[in-house]
Amino acid sequence: AQTVTQSQPEMSVQEAETVTLSCTYDTSENNYYLFWYKQPPSRQMILVIRQEAYKQQNATENRFSVNFQKAAKSFSLKISDSQLGDTAMYFCAFMKGPNFGNEKLTFGTGTRLTIIP
Amino acid sequence: DGGITQSPKYLFRKEGQNVTLSCEQNLNHDAMYWYRQDPGQGLRLIYYSQIVNDFQKGDIAEGYSVSREKKESFPLTVTSAQKNPTAFYLCASSIRTDSPLHFGNGTRLTVT
Repeated sequence: AQTVTQSQPEMSVQEAETVTLSCTYDTSENNYYLFWYKQPPSRQMILVIRQEAYKQQNATENRFSVNFQKAAKSFSLKISDSQLGDTAMYFCAFMKGPNFGNEKLTFGTGTRLTIIP
Repeated sequence: DGGITQSPKYLFRKEGQNVTLSCEQNLNHDAMYWYRQDPGQGLRLIYYSQIVNDFQKGDIAEGYSVSREKKESFPLTVTSAQKNPTAFYLCASSIRTDSPLHFGNGTRLTVT
């Protein structure tokens, strides 16, 4: 079974600074996907970024980027130029590769990020 | 606009009563999911469905039941057998089961 670990329950950073959220996972699979989801106070889950394990290049979406270290099974999220709207719970998630059957997301326990004005 | 609608936003029930949470999507997605969120535990999968009239148990299916009679709808029933039903419930859908999930706004269920 896959496990996802987020070791930082809470973090805070000053507005405009850069922050990195950690995530490690455990799997015996070689083909899989990794995700970061954001849950603001409204509790709507929003996809931030996605990484395919077979891609060596780290995914980037505007101010959000990941550091994917496959051998270390690490998948950290970097938020640059942080904004007040980035305040949210951030969840790391894992999904096995397409086997036409049992794909499902396994979530970490989340990191509560607060951006301080 | 396409999206996922969960209703109601807040739901209150007495212990021993079954309750059904609604989830409707107009995204034309094949796969739908129900997750439960508890403080400090992240999201845990209850049930998922890849196609109409078919569904599979997730990690914590005991005390829950679902149906998938229409592509757009995936209601979740919390039965009296669920020992700890008070939680935040999130419905999601995806084009395929290996695609990113789109989530609804959730239903907060309180059972007393």
